[in-house]
Amino acid sequence: DTGVSQNPRHKITKRGQNVTFRCDPISEHNRLYWYRQTLGQGPEFLTYFQNEAQLEKSRLLSDRFSAERPKGSFSTLEIQRTEQGDSAMYLCASSLFLGQVFFFGSGTRLTVV
Amino acid sequence: KNEVEQSPQNLTAQEGEFITINCSYSVGISALHWLQQHPGGGIVSLFMLSSGKKKHGRLIATINIQEKHSSLHITASHPRDSAVYICAVIGGSQGNLIFGKGTKLSVKP
Repeated sequence: DTGVSQNPRHKITKRGQNVTFRCDPISEHNRLYWYRQTLGQGPEFLTYFQNEAQLEKSRLLSDRFSAERPKGSFSTLEIQRTEQGDSAMYLCASSLFLGQVFFFGSGTRLTVV
Repeated sequence: KNEVEQSPQNLTAQEGEFITINCSYSVGISALHWLQQHPGGGIVSLFMLSSGKKKHGRLIATINIQEKHSSLHITASHPRDSAVYICAVIGGSQGNLIFGKGTKLSVKP
């Protein structure tokens, strides 16, 4: 499978716990994006990387959120001290270069109980 | 006001009907994506266009840069076309996607 891969597909966690999601972009894509989507809404931008550098972060990304892309390949998104409002679909996308077609993963659906 | 507006929000059609979904945006863009999202969350890019018109099978996408408007047309609609269709523009210096809220299409047999 050479598409964008996200793990896990589903995550249920108790409020206050930490969670980590992983995204494996298409090989050689140097741009990687994280989005969050709540029910009935379009995705909202969280952050993006060009290679290993995190170039932009949305104000939606509170101090409890952190993202890394240590070697410019896969990326992780961690949410600390989860809250019920964090329940959403977290989507990852990659593109080869600026302005190129975006390829999306299947998303990680987070439910905080 | 959202930077990307789609209409309609919900659309129900009978199989075989011609369908149009509209997208208007208020920011400068380098390109526009039409995306399809099925239940379960996966998103597929149908088209990326920066001018004119593109066609793939029964799907046609057009864009008018001067009017900041794009349309997605589906000819001879089929129940398997039922999905959420999202317009997203590539805007700003960082080339990020700005999404519309999506149009939920349901095609009845």
